[in-house]
Amino acid sequence: DAKTTQPTSMDCAEGRAANLPCNHSTISGNEYVYWYRQIHSQGPQYIIHGLKNNETNEMASLIITEDRKSSTLILPHATLRDTAVYYCIVTSGGSNYKLTFGKGTLLTVNP
Amino acid sequence: NAGVTQTPKFQVLKTGQSMTLQCAQDMNHEYMSWYRQDPGMGLRLIHYSVGAGITDQGEVPNGYNVSRSTTEDFPLRLLSAAPSQTSVYFCASSPPGQGGGGYGYTFGSGTRLTVV
Repeated sequence: DAKTTQPTSMDCAEGRAANLPCNHSTISGNEYVYWYRQIHSQGPQYIIHGLKNNETNEMASLIITEDRKSSTLILPHATLRDTAVYYCIVTSGGSNYKLTFGKGTLLTVNP
Repeated sequence: NAGVTQTPKFQVLKTGQSMTLQCAQDMNHEYMSWYRQDPGMGLRLIHYSVGAGITDQGEVPNGYNVSRSTTEDFPLRLLSAAPSQTSVYFCASSPPGQGGGGYGYTFGSGTRLTVV
């Protein structure tokens, strides 16, 4: 599975959009990009995933660049409850049952 | 619909003791996994299963055993506890296929284990 690179931490003002970047320059054609988050001490929570098209659900939007070497998770209106560690994970098409977590990005939403 | 249930939530063991961490899901998910999380670290995969009767090792399997006799249950056994196994353990389940049908993995709330 391709390795991912994320900033260690980011800040965002409450009510503003939070844009979390992820670099996955070695991603291959059958690998998906997944995003999870972990609110302090809780189990991780699935947010969204995509292959090459942009995706949106009730929680967030996922923008994947045309070359698929990077992606951005967008929380459109961040709230204090969105403060969490966000993990960007790349898995191969045949092994999405194995998630490799890095250290993620600590997003702090400030009032 | 309880999701993924892990028991116990907290446990203290003495070095050399054995125990089983329980994990049950009521969503009829085929995929189940066990992770451990050490302070300041991401989660590391211990063992996983893609269906009843099928298990395989993850990144850090040493010192742990698993079995999957039913779809619902995926217990994790510590054979002889060591202080290095002090960690938070998470169990997770997912439907098969990419994205788990759009929901990804559902994680339990964790078991906090201390080995003294």
